[in-house]
Amino acid sequence: DAKTTQPPSMDCAEGRAANLPCNHSTISGNEYVYWYRQIHSQGPQYIIHGLKNNETNEMASLIITEDRKSSTLILPHATLRDTAVYYCIVRVVGNQFYFGTGTSLTVIP
Amino acid sequence: DTEVTQTPKHLVMGMTNKKSLKCEQHMGHRAMYWYKQKAKKPPELMFVYSYEKLSINESVPSRFSPECPNSSLLNLHLHALQPEDSALYLCASSHPGRGPEAFFGQGTRLTVV
Repeated sequence: DAKTTQPPSMDCAEGRAANLPCNHSTISGNEYVYWYRQIHSQGPQYIIHGLKNNETNEMASLIITEDRKSSTLILPHATLRDTAVYYCIVRVVGNQFYFGTGTSLTVIP
Repeated sequence: DTEVTQTPKHLVMGMTNKKSLKCEQHMGHRAMYWYKQKAKKPPELMFVYSYEKLSINESVPSRFSPECPNSSLLNLHLHALQPEDSALYLCASSHPGRGPEAFFGQGTRLTVV
């Protein structure tokens, strides 16, 4: 599975959109982009995934560039409860999940 | 039901003890995983079971012994652990035919004294 690169930390003001970038320049055609988050000392929580089209669900939006070498997770109106470590994972469906170092997002009141 | 249940939530054990961690899911998933997570680090994959058979062992020391007695249950047997094995142990499950994502339990916080 391809590797991912994320900034180690980001801040976001409460109520504003949080845009978390992920670079996956070696992604192959059958690899999906997944986003998970982990709130302190809890199990990782699935957020969203996509292959090449942009995706939106009740939690977030996922924007994947046309060349699929990078993506952005968007939390449209960040709240204090969104403070967590966000992991971008690239994976072929059916393979195991390998976590990178993630981005620690702090939402500031 | 999208829940993966891990027990116990906390465990303190001595280096000569034998203990087991338990993980259960009722989503019909046929892949189950054990991860180890040290403080301020990402989860590290330990073992993968696929259709109740061990498919991946990421060079984990033999003092960790996984077991998958049926499609809903995953155990991790612990014996002669070291203090550096203290960590959060996470279980997860997935199945391509039931959605591509994996679901994680809340973990067992293990302390080896």
